[in-house]
This record gives sequence, structure tokens and C-alpha cells, in this order.
Amino acid sequence: DIVMTQSPDSLAVSLGERATINCKSSQSVLSSSNNHNSLTWYQKKPGQPPKVLIYWASVRESGVPDRFSGSGSGTDFTLTINSLQAEDVAVYYCQQYYSPPYTFGQGTKLEI
Amino acid sequence: EVQLVESGGGLVQPGGSLRLSCAASGFTFSDRWMHWVRQVPGKGLMWVSQIHPDGRMTTYADSVKGRFTIARDNTKNTLYLQMNSLRAEDTAVYYCTSFGPGKFDYWGQGNLVTVSS
Repeated sequence: DIVMTQSPDSLAVSLGERATINCKSSQSVLSSSNNHNSLTWYQKKPGQPPKVLIYWASVRESGVPDRFSGSGSGTDFTLTINSLQAEDVAVYYCQQYYSPPYTFGQGTKLEI
Repeated sequence: EVQLVESGGGLVQPGGSLRLSCAASGFTFSDRWMHWVRQVPGKGLMWVSQIHPDGRMTTYADSVKGRFTIARDNTKNTLYLQMNSLRAEDTAVYYCTSFGPGKFDYWGQGNLVTVSS
């Protein structure tokens, strides 16, 4: 199984500042068939389903504010949230869908 | 408007069974791989199972293999999860979700399953 490890487990950032969340996979999730990283970032708030923020490691989902960005390739990935807003308080997860089981990171709790 | 509406959750005793349903609308259900993902209260997300668009191929997480069965009825646009031999550690909110290009893009609201005596 591919193990996804996020860091840190929790993060406190001031309003307007930048938050950086890292995700490391135990093996590469770069697909040779389409040259895409099989890596998605989700935002999860209590009582709501996960919401896609970034897919293919760096493509922002339609409707997601441009303060959210993703980077990385292979085994190391980063989610960056610029100009943190109050509504960004949530738990953030990375997930690989390179091979089943499609594992998630343990989550990073973002607080103001 | 895309909708995934889950039903069938609730309280069940250890060793019991439960079937979850997920009714889809607003997209071409029969074209999509469908999945179940769960979240134990206060814990992280865990992928549970997937099923091919034609229903012939399924995959499971090791922790549910042999106890859970995923199925679909493309004539009813409905996904199912039959859960047998339930354990306390299966207590979770279960989400159905569809896989689109690069992402699990559509999600149900979640259905709580509680396994307790």
C-alpha cells in the first residue's frame, strides 16, 4: 500500500498569512501513461463531505479561490494557502489514486 | 444539478448487517467508477471500496475485504454497499463518491453507521 504522510498534523496561522501543508507518498504517484501526478487535495469541514481543492497535484478545481495552490511531483507535494481567511479553517487531506487502496494522508488541522 | 443521496445507515449490533444505498442524478452514472469512503468520528478519511462502471470489477480495503460487498444498478443509477459481520471499528460516516478526471469530484452528504450493542 502507498502510505501518505502529511506534515504538520496541525497548524495555526494568522489571518492574511500563508499556510503550507506537505504531503509525502511512500512511492511515486506520477503516472507514466498521462504524465499526471495522481494526487488530490481536499478540504474537510465538520458535517460536510470533502471538497476538491487541487487535482493532478497542481490544477485548481473550478470555483476554488486562487489563494489555494498545489505543487510537487513524484513523492513530495505541497498545498499552499495564501492570505488565509477565516473560512479556511478546516482539515486538509492529500490522497493518492495511483493504485488501490487509494490512501489519504492523516490530515492537517488548520486553525487561525 | 449533481446529487448523490445516501440512505440505509443507522444503529446495528456487532455481527449484524446493513446495506447502504446511494442514488445518483445529474451525471452519467453508468460512465463512472464509484467508490465508498468512510470517516470514523474524530479521525481521518479512509477509502473503502470501488466498482467499475459495468459492475464487473471491484476492489476493497483489506479491513473490509470478505465482509463488505459493493454493487451497482445502472438501470436505477444506484450504488450499494452491503456490510456484513459488522464490528465496532466500522462505526463511521460513509460517503459515496464518483471518480472523474483526476479527482473524486461528486460526494454524498454522508451516512452514519453505528455498530454498538
